[in-house]
Amino acid sequence: EIVLTQSPATLSLSPGERATLSCGASQSVSSSYLAWYQQKPGLAPRLLIYEASSRATGIPDRFSGSGSGTDFTLTISRLEPEDFAVYYCQQYGSSPWTFGQGTKVEIK
Amino acid sequence: QLQLQESGPGLVKPSETLSLTCTVSGGSISSSSYYWGWIRQPPGKGLEWIGSISYSGSTYYNPSLKSRVTISVDTSKNQLSLRLSSVTAADTAVYYCARQGTGNIVYYFDYWGQGTLVTVSS
Repeated sequence: EIVLTQSPATLSLSPGERATLSCGASQSVSSSYLAWYQQKPGLAPRLLIYEASSRATGIPDRFSGSGSGTDFTLTISRLEPEDFAVYYCQQYGSSPWTFGQGTKVEIK
Repeated sequence: QLQLQESGPGLVKPSETLSLTCTVSGGSISSSSYYWGWIRQPPGKGLEWIGSISYSGSTYYNPSLKSRVTISVDTSKNQLSLRLSSVTAADTAVYYCARQGTGNIVYYFDYWGQGTLVTVSS
């Protein structure tokens, strides 16, 4: 099983600032089959990024993903008020498909 | 627009079986292009994949839950179902159903239901 470790656990930033979230894998993620999701309180997760760097339909271009192998990054170039949420990475390169424990982006 | 809606009892007694249904609308569950999965989230915690199924009944299960989980699909009703046996308080969670694309592999979760909270308590 691939264990995903996200850091930091909490990121305190102000609107307009840049957010950099990390996701580390315990072993290489096949073909960069890594996704990122955003979750707001009381709502289901929303797909942001797939295959490490491809934006899902309707996702603003301030969200970008990068990385390969065991190290992946989600960057939000300039935080909007609606971006404060919890973010999860997930690998789908090998079963069992696993999620990271999440990074909370909160308003400073 | 594809929609997924989970339904089932919100309260289950310890040692009993949790049963949930996910109804898919705005699209067919019978497409060979998709798998359909269940994911859960204990209150205040992260996401855990439970298992996934294709329209033809091919399944993948999380090994940590495999001995207690059964996922099935009813194409005539455009529904998938989850059964989790011998539940304990640790199974208290919001349960989501979600769609996954498939090709040479089974992909990410692109559409999610709103989730349903199941509490295990006597």
